[in-house]
Amino acid sequence: QVQLVESGGGLVKPGGSLRLSCTASGFTFSDSYMSWVRQTPGKGLEWVAFISGSSSYTEYAEYVESVKGRFSISRDNAKNSLFLHMDSLTVEDTAVYYCVTGQLFYYDWGQGSLVTVSS
Amino acid sequence: QSALTQPPSVSGAPGQRVTISCTGSSSNIGGGYDVHWYQQLPGRAPRLLIYGNVNRPSGVPDRFSGSKSGTSASLAITGLQAEDEADYYCQSSDSSLRRVVFGGGTKVTVL
Repeated sequence: QVQLVESGGGLVKPGGSLRLSCTASGFTFSDSYMSWVRQTPGKGLEWVAFISGSSSYTEYAEYVESVKGRFSISRDNAKNSLFLHMDSLTVEDTAVYYCVTGQLFYYDWGQGSLVTVSS
Repeated sequence: QSALTQPPSVSGAPGQRVTISCTGSSSNIGGGYDVHWYQQLPGRAPRLLIYGNVNRPSGVPDRFSGSKSGTSASLAITGLQAEDEADYYCQSSDSSLRRVVFGGGTKVTVL
């Protein structure tokens, strides 16, 4: 069955950086659009970014406006891995980050990785 | 403030039918975009419950059903069970915001 396992979360100071990883199994990772969705108590669920699969002519990514220029999504199809590199973190980025399959809706979810931005 | 509006909570006795509304606008649900629903049990990650307005992934009981009309959608749970106590979120896409949008979530309590 599909498994998505996130890692890399933790406590970071405002202005700091963090890289989340997601290891996928149980499906053809390279073909799949992948996304990151985050959840905060105050703002609920929020889509963060997606990256296209190998079915696209060229790989492309999109980001929610609030993280553009600070976050970067990438993938390593040889290692069935998805990444989210986060720079210039603010307290508003504090959330549980989920690795999910899909672009327009999210079929499978990881268990989540908590990112806490605090001084 | 979410682009999709859900009631904060609904409740029902075991065996009853409850419905959760998801109200949008002409730039999302009313614009023809599909609605999807997720269930989040306490302490767990969300899981897909309904996709494409009415479709259930394998393993989702047929007690759960979705519908869409105009600028709104609904999730119905028939034969409510204690294990259905969870948060439920609707989700669609929005042409004005140019991104996926979620509702604020509805807590279902089984009395």
